[in-house]
Amino acid sequence: SQKIEQNSEALNIQEGKTATLTCNYTNYSPAYLQWYRQDPGRGPVFLLLIRENEKEKRKERLKVTFDTTLKQSLFHITASQPADSATYLCALVPSYNTDKLIFGTGTRLQVFP
Amino acid sequence: GAVVSQHPSWVICKSGTSVKIECRSLDFQATTMFWYRQFPKQSLMLMATSNEGSKATYEQGVEKDKFLINHASLTLSTLTVTSAHPEDSSFYICSAAGTGESLYNSPLHFGNGTRLTVT
Repeated sequence: SQKIEQNSEALNIQEGKTATLTCNYTNYSPAYLQWYRQDPGRGPVFLLLIRENEKEKRKERLKVTFDTTLKQSLFHITASQPADSATYLCALVPSYNTDKLIFGTGTRLQVFP
Repeated sequence: GAVVSQHPSWVICKSGTSVKIECRSLDFQATTMFWYRQFPKQSLMLMATSNEGSKATYEQGVEKDKFLINHASLTLSTLTVTSAHPEDSSFYICSAAGTGESLYNSPLHFGNGTRLTVT
């Protein structure tokens, strides 16, 4: 079956440390993968998009990697801050001939002072 | 830019009644809008893809007669939950892709969701 799995347990880290979130997918061959942030009671907000031919993408304190062999994407937040506390969702377009976004299970990140 | 407005932000209704949720793209035209549902502490589940001027495409397991979708203009899509029951209580979120944009190289723009509670 097709699955997009993220760390189900909440990730708690101390301010200033690097948070690393994992997204693993099964039975998909996505050309692109996206990461979103969702705060409680709000809609997701787009963060980064990475293509299959890009190993790494950066935006300010954010970094995303995409390994199509491992079928995995890693999302890093460096110098984390309490304001980074939220749920982070990875999402992918299932195949080249579809135009819809399927979301992973999400990981709740808590950054404490 | 790329603002999606969803209304209402929350609604409480009695079992058996119908509820309409509106999704508007405020500063761009959206040929395609997507409706998601999210249960507590779960991820977003795609319900249907709404295309302007044509019938919506529903995901497997989603009842099209219960969740009526209308996308009558390039800036408005509506989701009507008909004959709502307590199990329909959920967080409904719409999103939009700009006209000409593909999810292969563009993000989805999300509304802030509608919390539906059916009593």
